[in-house]
Amino acid sequence: GAVVSQHPSRVICKSGTSVKIECRSLDFQATTMFWYRQFPKQSLMLMATSNEGSKATYEQGVEKDKFLINHASLTLSTLTVTSAHPEDSSFYICSADSGGYGYTFGSGTRLTVV
Amino acid sequence: AQKITQTQPGMFVQEKEAVTLDCTYDTSDPSYGLFWYKQPSSGEMIFLIYQGSYDQQNATEGRYSLNFQKARKSANLVISASQLGDSAMYFCAMSGLNFNKFYFGSGTKLNVKP
Repeated sequence: GAVVSQHPSRVICKSGTSVKIECRSLDFQATTMFWYRQFPKQSLMLMATSNEGSKATYEQGVEKDKFLINHASLTLSTLTVTSAHPEDSSFYICSADSGGYGYTFGSGTRLTVV
Repeated sequence: AQKITQTQPGMFVQEKEAVTLDCTYDTSDPSYGLFWYKQPSSGEMIFLIYQGSYDQQNATEGRYSLNFQKARKSANLVISASQLGDSAMYFCAMSGLNFNKFYFGSGTKLNVKP
């Protein structure tokens, strides 16, 4: 079946540094990928839609300069959290349309900013 | 705008019994998809079942079935013969007309008791 690989699974970084999270579709091409953020015991909130070869579409309230999204190829989308602060600590998860009914999700990245 | 409501923050069920997780939705789109995902404590999102808005029959996937009542705008998940491994968060989700965005409910934490 379709697999989306996301890494790192966990990352701890210092406040003020940037962190890059990768999302790869391993056995299919994904022109569109989605990035979500999930706070503890809460639901997934869509942050942005990543489109291969074009700019990402951000949801209202999401700072595009803080959460940089790059979708340079049909199998890779990256989310970079720039100048991270403790309030950016969260679970970030990507998904892609693998052609089936259910979108395939990555395994998520737990970001802790100290 | 789309909205998904899960009114049960937590549920308990005895092993081997059936359990129903509630989901209601609101949308103005004439065509949409309804999904259920399972999220174990490890964080990954596991696709369980899909129901298209024009599907005449309720979807079934093994022990999972979706009780779709279009007029009432509900899409409840039924898990038969619960197993200990079913303990997890369960999210109801809906995709819009273009199936390019997911809107998630707040989730239901299911605990299966031995």
